[in-house]
Amino acid sequence: EAGVAQSPRYKIIEKRQSVAFWCNPISGHATLYWYQQILGQGPKLLIQFQNNGVVDDSQLPKDRFSAERLKGVDSTLKIQPAKLEDSAVYLCASSYPTGGGELFFGEGSRLTVL
Amino acid sequence: AQSVTQPDIHITVSEGASLELRCNYSYGATPYLFWYVQSPGQGLQLLLKYFSGDTLVQGIKGFEAEFKRSQSSFNLRKPSVHWSDAAEYFCAVGARAGNNRKLIWGLGTSLAVNP
Repeated sequence: EAGVAQSPRYKIIEKRQSVAFWCNPISGHATLYWYQQILGQGPKLLIQFQNNGVVDDSQLPKDRFSAERLKGVDSTLKIQPAKLEDSAVYLCASSYPTGGGELFFGEGSRLTVL
Repeated sequence: AQSVTQPDIHITVSEGASLELRCNYSYGATPYLFWYVQSPGQGLQLLLKYFSGDTLVQGIKGFEAEFKRSQSSFNLRKPSVHWSDAAEYFCAVGARAGNNRKLIWGLGTSLAVNP
């Protein structure tokens, strides 16, 4: 079974530039999550999708972050414009809707904002 | 308020020694409990989970954890640590959110293993 795929693995940009991250979840997983993990901290949920609908985006900084999940499969997370404090690893995870919280993670996309 | 506390930020053990990582939670109902491991530069991998039943659960890589309701704890253990166990360990509670569960994460414990 293929795991959660993310790209790019690494990205370096200057502040005020934009960046986009892509995620392909495990086949059959209706629920998709984007997490932000700052160095030395635990993951912080940015947004959760069920199929192509948003379940929770309460911690997404909507003035600069956006995410979409067209057709209920792949998802894209965009940051525009980026700030220095956005430097982090962006983790995508997926699960079955009734998975009880058991998530399957991708390897993450590490963003450095200069 | 729902929360997860991992009291130890960093732990160092010698290879072959036993390991216990502590996790305490605050949650009003019966929790779903998880331990995830994150190796350097990698995503998180599920080690084990507790939903119900036997309070001692076995996971991958020789890890086990015990749910103690009276102490609101879910400590992770391994009898003999290997150098490859050096990683970041996260405890999480699956809190009910509508028809789904939302994970509440601890801040993690960083494990170093001395040869």
